[in-house]
Amino acid sequence: NAGVTQTPKFQVLKTGQSMTLQCAQDMNHEYMSWYRQDPGMGLRLIHYSVGAGITDQGEVPNGYNVSRSTTEDFPLRLLSAAPSQTSVYFCASSQSLSDYTGELFFGEGSRLTVL
Amino acid sequence: GESVGLHLPTLSVQEGDNSIINCAYSNSASDYFIWYKQESGKGPQFIIDIRSNMDKRQGQRVTVLLNKTVKHLSLQIAATQPGDSAVYFCAENNAGNMLTFGGGTRLMVKP
Repeated sequence: NAGVTQTPKFQVLKTGQSMTLQCAQDMNHEYMSWYRQDPGMGLRLIHYSVGAGITDQGEVPNGYNVSRSTTEDFPLRLLSAAPSQTSVYFCASSQSLSDYTGELFFGEGSRLTVL
Repeated sequence: GESVGLHLPTLSVQEGDNSIINCAYSNSASDYFIWYKQESGKGPQFIIDIRSNMDKRQGQRVTVLLNKTVKHLSLQIAATQPGDSAVYFCAENNAGNMLTFGGGTRLMVKP
């Protein structure tokens, strides 16, 4: 059981480039989410999804797009990378967040540097 | 806006002692709180949770206390071990599908 798998683990981009961070889970979780973590700060929610075909914005959605075509996958797209998007990105999933079983399962993280 | 915060950024304890990590929250509508542990280079890992209709919940070597009057949450770790060294985050569920995380406290265990 792999849990939540993120790729790539490390990425360096130039300003203006685009890329997609991949996230896959094999636990048949309905809820998936993306967080970013900056030095000395907690995790901030970017986007989340409560099921295939459904996505919604979190606290810091600007500059990021998501889609949820399958239960397993929840990619995060940066259309035009900016230095302010340098961060560590975490994907997390849960069976259901709204029924007080808030155990989010996190991936290992993707460290992105934008030059 | 309202946010979850922590009192101390770093806590250093002697191995075998008890640790107490504190967290203040400001959103009185939050009804579910969770503690996560993050080891270096890894994603956060669920430790324990508590609903707002409870004051205390115990797990294995960990206890979470909730004081709704002063909007305070704490995580107690008994007999702290070197493997407990990590950053600990509290988080609150205040909108059903969104968790808001605090800034984190680094716990350092001295041998």
